[in-house]
Amino acid sequence: KQEVTQIPAALSVPEGENLVLNCSFTDSAIYNLQWFRQDPGKGLTSLLLIQSSQREQTSGRLNASLDKSSGRSTLYIAASQPGDSATYLCAVITQGGSEKLVFGKGTKLTVNP
Amino acid sequence: DTEVTQTPKHLVMGMTNKKSLKCEQHMGHRAMYWYKQKAKKPPELMFVYSYEKLSINESVPSRFSPECPNSSLLNLHLHALQPEDSALYLCASSQGEGLAGRTDTQYFGPGTRLTVL
Repeated sequence: KQEVTQIPAALSVPEGENLVLNCSFTDSAIYNLQWFRQDPGKGLTSLLLIQSSQREQTSGRLNASLDKSSGRSTLYIAASQPGDSATYLCAVITQGGSEKLVFGKGTKLTVNP
Repeated sequence: DTEVTQTPKHLVMGMTNKKSLKCEQHMGHRAMYWYKQKAKKPPELMFVYSYEKLSINESVPSRFSPECPNSSLLNLHLHALQPEDSALYLCASSQGEGLAGRTDTQYFGPGTRLTVL
């Protein structure tokens, strides 16, 4: 059974800092890994999707990497801003199973002005 | 347009009520999903529809009844719910099932905040 773990559970940084969020998964046979952002009480916004054949994806100040063999992904946020404050979730779709996304519990990020 | 819309935004219902949640997308996606999210927890999959047919039911109690009237619309009918069913219900869609669908981004709606009294 696929399990996804995110570390740390919460992170507080001053504005302008570069930061890394970590995600690990137990079954490396995945189709893809997605990073989402969720603001309190809101839906999920897709940030980046990395296919199993890819090593990284970039969008603006965000860069996500994937090391499938070791079951790890990182989300790098450059020059953090207060507007980046949210919960960040990673999720994977596992090969050979159902189509469902399996989510980690998320990292709650607070960027202080 | 990458928007998934959900109505209503908030719903309060008693345990004997019957209500429905609605989800709509106009991206031409052929896979649609219902997730349930409790406070401070990640979303949990409930149902998957592929090409308007139910393809996955994650052992959800029968008091939740999904319906996909057409490729753009997904409903979740609620009847005789329990207070523990109070949660944020999220709808999502993606390009389609099959290998392409498994590698596609899932787009989520804003959710319906359900409270069962």
